Amino acid sequence: QSVLTQPPSVSAAPGQKVTISCSGSSSNIGNNNVAWYQQLPGTAPKLLIYDNNHRPSEIPDRFSGSKSGTSATLGITGLQTGDEADYYCITWDASLNGGVFGGGTKLTVL
Amino acid sequence: EAQLLESGGGLVQPGGSLRLSCAASGFSFSSYAMAWVRQAPGKGLEWVSAISDRGDTYYADFMKGRFTISRDNSKNTLYLQMNSVRAEDTAVYYCARDAPGASHHFDYWGQGTLVTVSS
Repeated sequence: QSVLTQPPSVSAAPGQKVTISCSGSSSNIGNNNVAWYQQLPGTAPKLLIYDNNHRPSEIPDRFSGSKSGTSATLGITGLQTGDEADYYCITWDASLNGGVFGGGTKLTVL
Repeated sequence: EAQLLESGGGLVQPGGSLRLSCAASGFSFSSYAMAWVRQAPGKGLEWVSAISDRGDTYYADFMKGRFTISRDNSKNTLYLQMNSVRAEDTAVYYCARDAPGASHHFDYWGQGTLVTVSS
């Protein structure tokens, strides 16, 4: 049971938009920035978003991030079949004095 | 470009020990914090441990003193000593470089090494 709560799955049609939430507390998201990863089957995670809403240069602007209070959100627009993957949020937890991942969300592009 | 290459995984009996290594290249290893992340078969990512560039260490609660992270900057290598392993420690273990920025995140990952705990 992760301290960061993500929906187990989300789905949407190609071309549509989807959002994935990551809910935490004041000891983690509430006082620390959030990053997001995409993981395709059998591969290492790929960084999508860091510092809540910054994208590495190679990540298209279809991917966006935001944070409000103790929750963060990953947004993906213009969905493509290649976006089907597992998505994870991560932040630092001051109470645990360590990093924490969300449980992960499986995105299905119908 | 930065590269990370894990080794040391394999089959180990419950209660046994294993040392994972992560050889780093393509960047100034001593200047970066490093971490281990694991993923059990069919499960999500799990943060395991981290070590700062100065050698400060951080551990997930579940390890309860069984694992030790260390680094040898002269060899550009990160280690994870795993003792008293349990079946639930079976996972792919990734080595990752802590990235610059305000958030705790990793910009480079290794390909992972599989640890299987079974009798």
